[in-house]
Amino acid sequence: AQSVSQHNHHVILSEAASLELGCNYSYGGTVNLFWYVQYPGQHLQLLLKYFSGDPLVKGIKGFEAEFIKSKFSFNLRKPSVQWSDTAEYFCAVNARVNTGFQKLVFGTGTRLLVSP
Amino acid sequence: DADVTQTPRNRITKTGKRIMLECSQTKGHDRMYWYRQDPGLGLRLIYYSFDVKDINKGEISDGYSVSRQAQAKFSLSLESAIPNQTALYFCATSDRQDEQFFGPGTRLTVL
Repeated sequence: AQSVSQHNHHVILSEAASLELGCNYSYGGTVNLFWYVQYPGQHLQLLLKYFSGDPLVKGIKGFEAEFIKSKFSFNLRKPSVQWSDTAEYFCAVNARVNTGFQKLVFGTGTRLLVSP
Repeated sequence: DADVTQTPRNRITKTGKRIMLECSQTKGHDRMYWYRQDPGLGLRLIYYSFDVKDINKGEISDGYSVSRQAQAKFSLSLESAIPNQTALYFCATSDRQDEQFFGPGTRLTVL
């Protein structure tokens, strides 16, 4: 079964620091990859997604992620974080084995706290 | 207006009570999902539905049931609520590309 690992459960950064959140998945076939963000008290919102093509994808609010197939990774990055980036971040993977539906599997999330 | 709505937004109930959480969407998607979120566990899939006639169990379906009344409506029921079902519940929809759109969540507390 596919699984998603987010190695950092809690991250604390100062404003303007660079961010990288790790995400690894276990599935050798074709995957769709997502990063979602959940701001305090809100629902999940899509930050960015990868379906195919350029493995470096850019999302909203200056976030980007790089798909490295050989490492089964889809790490999230931002060069300079802001206090407003304080949130919980979820990596998710949808693996396709045929033309049918495959469940979207979420990682356990990373709580990011950015101090002013 | 929100594309995915959930009612109620908050609910406190007692052990043994039957609870229904409702979800409606205006995105026209065929696929709908129910998740629960617990601290440190991320989101776990309870049930999902491809269309009105298709209902599937997720990874933690025990103690829950669902009803897909129409393409736009997907309800989650707890037949006899227990305290470990206290959680944040999210409904979501998706198109065939599987990008999911989430509702605002229902915070359920079972005493």
